[in-house]
Amino acid sequence: DGGITQSPKYLFRKEGQNVTLSCEQNLNHDAMYWYRQDPGQGLRLIYYSQIVNDFQKGDIAEGYSVSREKKESFPLTVTSAQKNPTAFYLCASSILPLNTEAFFGQGTRLTVV
Amino acid sequence: AQSVAQPEDQVNVAEGNPLTVKCTYSVSGNPYLFWYVQYPNRGLQFLLKYITGDNLVKGSYGFEAEFNKSQTSFHLKKPSALVSDSALYFCAVRDGGGSARQLTFGSGTQLTVLP
Repeated sequence: DGGITQSPKYLFRKEGQNVTLSCEQNLNHDAMYWYRQDPGQGLRLIYYSQIVNDFQKGDIAEGYSVSREKKESFPLTVTSAQKNPTAFYLCASSILPLNTEAFFGQGTRLTVV
Repeated sequence: AQSVAQPEDQVNVAEGNPLTVKCTYSVSGNPYLFWYVQYPNRGLQFLLKYITGDNLVKGSYGFEAEFNKSQTSFHLKKPSALVSDSALYFCAVRDGGGSARQLTFGSGTQLTVLP
């Protein structure tokens, strides 16, 4: 089946630790995105990538890092510099024309303990 | 800067009644508009989109949306609500003259359909 796979579904992190969230897609989409979802705030863009080995900061990139070494993969690292990392993280992908919809993974819920 | 407003945090409707979830937008160019639905602890599922053409767009699960350029609105509608429609709904907009990053989401509307 084609789609986007995020793992793990739930993740617990101790303060001061870095954690990496996985996002893999087999849709052959060029563009990939990471969003953060907090209650009542909708989705906020963290990073996006349009091609391999290239990515751009979104609205809330501080404390996060990404890589795009393969077209299929766009992992997100939440670093210890992110002061309030507890949230629901969503990965998405799309083909590049702007009139196309994005497809979303099932999300990773990160909790700092 | 582009923006999306969903003025209602919560909408309650009785099963079998029509439902409307409101969305207004602001972009400098031509808008590409999208509706998504989210069930608890899940990702977003695409419902429908407006790109150009007919102002009434039909989508998945019996949903439709009406694009109104003069009112800059893109309200989601369904003639007869089901309990299973209860979920969180997001409106999103892209500026047709913008870049790939510019997919802006509203804050979401929680729809509850009462049996």
